[in-house]
Amino acid sequence: DTAVSQTPKYLVTQMGNDKSIKCEQNLGHDTMYWYKQDSKKFLKIMFSYNNKELIINETVPNRFSPKSPDKAHLNLHINSLELGDSAVYFCASSQIAGGRGEQFFGPGTRLTVL
Amino acid sequence: AQSVTQLDSQVPVFEEAPVELRCNYSSSVSVYLFWYVQYPNQGLQLLLKYLSGSTLVKGINGFEAEFNKSQTSFHLRKPSVHISDTAEYFCAVTLGQAGTALIFGKGTTLSVSS
Repeated sequence: DTAVSQTPKYLVTQMGNDKSIKCEQNLGHDTMYWYKQDSKKFLKIMFSYNNKELIINETVPNRFSPKSPDKAHLNLHINSLELGDSAVYFCASSQIAGGRGEQFFGPGTRLTVL
Repeated sequence: AQSVTQLDSQVPVFEEAPVELRCNYSSSVSVYLFWYVQYPNQGLQLLLKYLSGSTLVKGINGFEAEFNKSQTSFHLRKPSVHISDTAEYFCAVTLGQAGTALIFGKGTTLSVSS
């Protein structure tokens, strides 16, 4: 009965590969997010989707492409992985009506690019 | 644009001592304020939030925070800490609109020793 789940939890891959991270929420929320946490633990927004529509697209390399097949899922695909992509990626969700900004986070996916 | 400053990157304390983690924010409009906690190798968990109303908000695990609009601060306090409170603490702000991202501070590492 996990609220926000991510798979995989750990991802180790070589430079140049393409990989995907999946996120699912069972809270019935309208909005989902991807955040990146760097090696200094700084958290920064990457993308935000509301009802499957892209709302926020921060200055992120176009090698990163989010995909939302439905309101409950937001996947992150990364092409041509680089060393600098190594980080922990967090998915989150929130409810517009009445949520007033509170976001619920998944456990994170630790991506290591070798 | 909004920004968050956490004034202390590391706070070491002894068990059962009181602690205050400081957070200042900058915004030209009203914001919602949050404190999240991240235990080692885990996701983010909401400690407490200020949306409106009473400026003193109480959260989980005995934490509380006070919103001070004139000083644009939202400091987190606990009267007596436990070893289990050792974690990374993040202050965050958001406008609270649909899909608006959380803007995080750089985090404060709370280390509780016996």
